[in-house]
Amino acid sequence: DTGVSQDPRHKITKRGQNVTFRCDPISEHNRLYWYRQTLGQGPEFLTYFQNEAQLEKSRLLSDRFSAERPKGSFSTLEIQRTEQGDSAMYLCASSLAGGAETQYFGPGTRLLVL
Amino acid sequence: AQSVTQPDIHITVSEGASLELRCNYSYGATPYLFWYVQSPGQGLQLLLKYFSGDTLVQGIKGFEAEFKRSQSSFNLRKPSVHWSDAAEYFCAVGARTGANNLFFGTGTRLTVIP
Repeated sequence: DTGVSQDPRHKITKRGQNVTFRCDPISEHNRLYWYRQTLGQGPEFLTYFQNEAQLEKSRLLSDRFSAERPKGSFSTLEIQRTEQGDSAMYLCASSLAGGAETQYFGPGTRLLVL
Repeated sequence: AQSVTQPDIHITVSEGASLELRCNYSYGATPYLFWYVQSPGQGLQLLLKYFSGDTLVQGIKGFEAEFKRSQSSFNLRKPSVHWSDAAEYFCAVGARTGANNLFFGTGTRLTVIP
């Protein structure tokens, strides 16, 4: 069990650029979640997958945000035309669906939009 | 609507002193309850969780929490704080059915003084 990994750990970009983050979940976990955490706040849910199906995406912050999990393993979160307000920590978590579910978090990707 | 309240933004305790971090929630039914800890610039580490059964749950690093249904509370305690406990602590609730995304409080920052 190597835990949840995220790449990159840090990303600096200019406003208007597109960015993509990757998350690799714990290998046997079938659920994968994305959260955003701004300074001084708790994580805020964005979207989640069960296997390759995206079951909830209404919380994605705008249509500039999209996520994929094409083979039910790793996932990517893309932000198009970044804005300064997108600066935040983006956290990924994974879990095993069913019963008492526990989410395990990765180290996060810190995004700074200049 | 779901919400989690952590009324203490910042707490300072002396090393060796006892600690209690407060958490109150508003939810339609009894949720799953969690405490996570976050060190600066890092992801979230699970401290403990409550699903059912004994309302006093034990976690890692000597932490415990008590679920009180009548007060909608899930306070975190530790009898003797260590300097390494300095971090941000988040209480979270999750649904027992359907999408299991977590709702987080705004966190309590713990400072430990020697």
